[in-house]
Amino acid sequence: DGGITQSPKYLFRKEGQNVTLSCEQNLNHDAMYWYRQDPGQGLRLIYYSQIVNDFQKGDIAEGYSVSREKKESFPLTVTSAQKNPTAFYLCASSPWMNQPQHFGDGTRLSIL
Amino acid sequence: AQSVAQPEDQVNVAEGNPLTVKCTYSVSGNPYLFWYVQYPNRGLQFLLKYITGDNLVKGSYGFEAEFNKSQTSFHLKKPSALVSDSALYFCAVRPSTSGTYKYIFGTGTRLKVLA
Repeated sequence: DGGITQSPKYLFRKEGQNVTLSCEQNLNHDAMYWYRQDPGQGLRLIYYSQIVNDFQKGDIAEGYSVSREKKESFPLTVTSAQKNPTAFYLCASSPWMNQPQHFGDGTRLSIL
Repeated sequence: AQSVAQPEDQVNVAEGNPLTVKCTYSVSGNPYLFWYVQYPNRGLQFLLKYITGDNLVKGSYGFEAEFNKSQTSFHLKKPSALVSDSALYFCAVRPSTSGTYKYIFGTGTRLKVLA
């Protein structure tokens, strides 16, 4: 079955630590996205990538970094510069402009 | 600025009654419009989309949505609500004139169907 896999499901970060969230898709989609979801704030775009080796900042990119070395993979690193990282992180992909996004089941990040 | 508004944080409806979840948008050009549903601790699931053509769009689980260009609205409807429809619903738009793959999401509406 095709889909998007996010791992881990739960992640804990210590003070000053960088952590990396994994996102893999086998849908052969060109575009991939990272969103942050906080209660009552909907989805906020962190980064997106339309093609391999290229990505753009979204609305809240500060304190985050990404890479897109393969079409299937779009990992997100939450750096120590992100002072309030506790949130639910969603990865998505899409094939073309008039098609819906497909979402993973998220990673919940908390501070230890 | 391009935006999507879901004016109600929560909608309560009795089981068996019709439900409506509202969405309005402000984008340049013709929009591609989407509805998604989210259950607790899960990702978003696609329900339906409007690209072009008939203003009434039918989707998954008995949901439908009506596109109204003059009112720039895309309200989600269902003739008879089920308790299992209780979830968080998101409206999203993608401007057709945009050169990017970026989607704009509303803040979500929590639907509670009461038995």
